[in-house]
This record gives sequence, C-alpha cells and structure tokens, in this order.
Amino acid sequence: EAGVAQSPRYKIIEKRQSVAFWCNPISGHATLYWYQQILGQGPKLLIQFQNNGVVDDSQLPKDRFSAERLKGVDSTLKIQPAKLEDSAVYLCASSLDFYSNQPQHFGDGTRLSIL
Amino acid sequence: GENVEQHPSTLSVQEGDSAVIKCTYSDSASNYFPWYKQELGKGPQLIIDIRSNVGEKKDQRIAVTLNKTAKHFSLHITETQPEDSAVYFCAVGGTSYDKVIFGPGTSLSVIP
Repeated sequence: EAGVAQSPRYKIIEKRQSVAFWCNPISGHATLYWYQQILGQGPKLLIQFQNNGVVDDSQLPKDRFSAERLKGVDSTLKIQPAKLEDSAVYLCASSLDFYSNQPQHFGDGTRLSIL
Repeated sequence: GENVEQHPSTLSVQEGDSAVIKCTYSDSASNYFPWYKQELGKGPQLIIDIRSNVGEKKDQRIAVTLNKTAKHFSLHITETQPEDSAVYFCAVGGTSYDKVIFGPGTSLSVIP
C-alpha cells in the first residue's frame, strides 16, 4: 500500500511570511494527524481530524496556524505569519480510525526553516 | 496531562550486544504503548506496540515489556546491528481518541 505522502520536503521562508504544507493519507484511513517535531524532541500533536471533522486542536496555535481536511482525504496545514520558533519538521500521520488505538503511519515530513 | 519520560537519551552499544530503552508515564488510565524508530530524514516508523492487557510482546529481535503497576515499559533489542542505529521514541496513549504522547527520544548508535 502507498504510504502517507507529504509535500514539499523542504521549505525556507522569512519570518512573517506564510507557508502551506500538504498531506495525502493512506487510502481508507479516516484519522489524520499533524505533528510538529522540533530538532531533538519527540513529535508534538498539533491537530487531529476524524474524516473532515476536528477531534483535537488543543495544541494548535490558532492565532497563526490553521488546518483543513476537505472531503475527508487530503489535508493542508498553514502558518501565517511564521515566527522563528516555527522552524521544525511538520509530520503528517494517518490511522484507520480513532476507536481502538490503531497504529499511526507517518509521512517523511516537511522541514521548515525560518530565516 | 500525560507526562512521558524516556531514558537514556543516548545509547551506544557494540554490534551484537543488547540495547534497552525505558519509558515512564504518569496517567494510570493509559492503555496503549507503541515504539517508533526514526531514521535521519524520515518519519517515525512503528516497530512494535503493546496494550495494557499484555505484559510482554516479542517480534524477532525486538521485545517490549510493560509494568502497569509501576507505570513503565521498556524496549529490548537483541543482537543489535548497525542498521538499528536511529532515534527511538516511546509513546503513550489510549485515553483520548487515539491521541498518543511521545517521549523525548533515545539516539541509539550500534558500533560495528
């Protein structure tokens, strides 16, 4: 089966600019997650979708971050405006559903550098 | 909220030796404990997971043991190989919509 696809792989922007990341989960996976992974740390959940509805966005900095999952498949994560502390790898993951601790499958992430 | 600690932060072993990484957690209601391996430039990959109704699980050279009373679980890798070199993350979940909290990671180096 095809894995989780993410693009772009790398992005360099200046602070206060905007940026968007795209994720295509594994076919048939209802649950989609966006994580932020700062260098040397474990992934931190930003937002979790079940189909096209938000399940958990408690850790999403909503003044600058937004995410959507139209039609319950692909998802985009946007940062506007970016700050220096947003430099990180943004990982997308998907799982079958959230009812029974299904394993999460990760993409290879987008590495964001803020100048 | 849940607090996950992981030790050691770095670990070097000789090829063929065993490696053990330990994680502790705080929420006694947690019931799902996966381990992920992350290679440079890649996303985390699930290598083994265990649920709270099981005390131990093994898959070839990898095993996980769980002590729910003490709230800790460990990853055991036997007969280590250079390709085992990576960062390993434990995670804890099961209390909220499949949300898992990741530990800070252990960088494992296997020296040929």
